[in-house]
Amino acid sequence: QKEVEQNSGPLSVPEGAIASLNCTYSDRGSQSFFWYRQYSGKSPELIMSIYSNGDKEDGRFTAQLNKASQYVSLLIRDSQPSDSATYLCAAPILTGGGNKLTFGTGTQLKVEL
Amino acid sequence: KAGVTQTPRYLIKTRGQQVTLSCSPISGHRSVSWYQQTPGQGLQFLFEYFSETQRNKGNFPGRFSGRQFSNSRSEMNVSTLELGDSALYLCASSISGGNTEAFFGQGTRLTVV
Repeated sequence: QKEVEQNSGPLSVPEGAIASLNCTYSDRGSQSFFWYRQYSGKSPELIMSIYSNGDKEDGRFTAQLNKASQYVSLLIRDSQPSDSATYLCAAPILTGGGNKLTFGTGTQLKVEL
Repeated sequence: KAGVTQTPRYLIKTRGQQVTLSCSPISGHRSVSWYQQTPGQGLQFLFEYFSETQRNKGNFPGRFSGRQFSNSRSEMNVSTLELGDSALYLCASSISGGNTEAFFGQGTRLTVV
């Protein structure tokens, strides 16, 4: 099992729709979770952090965390063409040296006009 | 507040050569992590430094090494370059690593010919 797992996509949604991105993680002890957005040719940009079970909203973005199911998701409401990017989920995975921030392979999102 | 700065942005090297990449973290951040990103493998963790000590290491050969200075700036070195080392190398800084938010630099695009 991969430490942090995402569907690679591409996920295609029409403009104005809700995009739902999903992620599972292997370490039950992980306490914090992050979503990054990466445009082609650019570096990842942190867009959401979530630490507690439930929902966290920031503008059009909502992160959802379910620690019992080891599942975290990102919802993007009113999707815009500018949201087209790869979205990376990250979680700290415990190793001998402490927590290592580990990334999924990313989900490519395409928002179509 | 200045972000994470990586230099150089682009590099072209010949097989067998060595290369040194530099990363200056956000002021006050003591943890620097390095990642290799290739199209097929996603973001692969190389190592993390915290207060001048390597705290975590990924599954890369010994040709990949790094260090951190007292001002938290970090360098990464790759010796005896191979064609497969061509990638985007990213560094991320955070206050203390582990469960804290990490912010990426623009990356160094290394091409080995």
